[in-house]
Amino acid sequence: KAGVTQTPRYLIKTRGQQVTLSCSPISGHRSVSWYQQTPGQGLQFLFEYFSETQRNKGNFPGRFSGRQFSNSRSEMNVSTLELGDSALYLCASSLARQTENSPLHFGNGTRLTVT
Amino acid sequence: GENVEQHPSTLSVQEGDSAVIKCTYSDSASNYFPWYKQELGKGPQLIIDIRSNVGEKKDQRIAVTLNKTAKHFSLHITETQPEDSAVYFCAASRIAAGNKLTFGGGTRVLVKP
Repeated sequence: KAGVTQTPRYLIKTRGQQVTLSCSPISGHRSVSWYQQTPGQGLQFLFEYFSETQRNKGNFPGRFSGRQFSNSRSEMNVSTLELGDSALYLCASSLARQTENSPLHFGNGTRLTVT
Repeated sequence: GENVEQHPSTLSVQEGDSAVIKCTYSDSASNYFPWYKQELGKGPQLIIDIRSNVGEKKDQRIAVTLNKTAKHFSLHITETQPEDSAVYFCAASRIAAGNKLTFGGGTRVLVKP
């Protein structure tokens, strides 16, 4: 069974631009979550989508947004990029929203560098 | 909101020795505690998890203990091997909060042959 697939693996963008990252969950998984990983702040929750609806949101500015399609694939968008947005963005999928019964499976991330 | 503290930040052990990583959490309503292992260039991989109604769980060389009263949980790795070298993260969540995990800061484990 294929794991969580994130594209692209690496991105270099300029401050002020916008970027879209893509995530394909494990087949059959309906919940997709996004996390940001930086050396300074560690792993931080961005948002979670389930059945095409945002179910939960972390403490990030409105420049960070996402969506989920009917096939459970998800995209996240960051507008007006800032240098501090440089990070590894991780997507995770699970069968359902209850992590007790369906643990999160992470992809290998998209490394975003903002110059 | 929830806050998870993890110690130590780095841990060096000799192959065959045990490694222990400790985490504390602040939200008494948290009831699910997973541990993840992250290798270089890869995403975190779940290695073991525990629910608040269980005090201890073991899977081969890995065990996790939970003390709800103290809001403290620990990862124990016995008979460490070089392939155990990685960064380990603890996390906490309320099951009702869905897939929102609050992570600890991570522990870099180095197993010396």
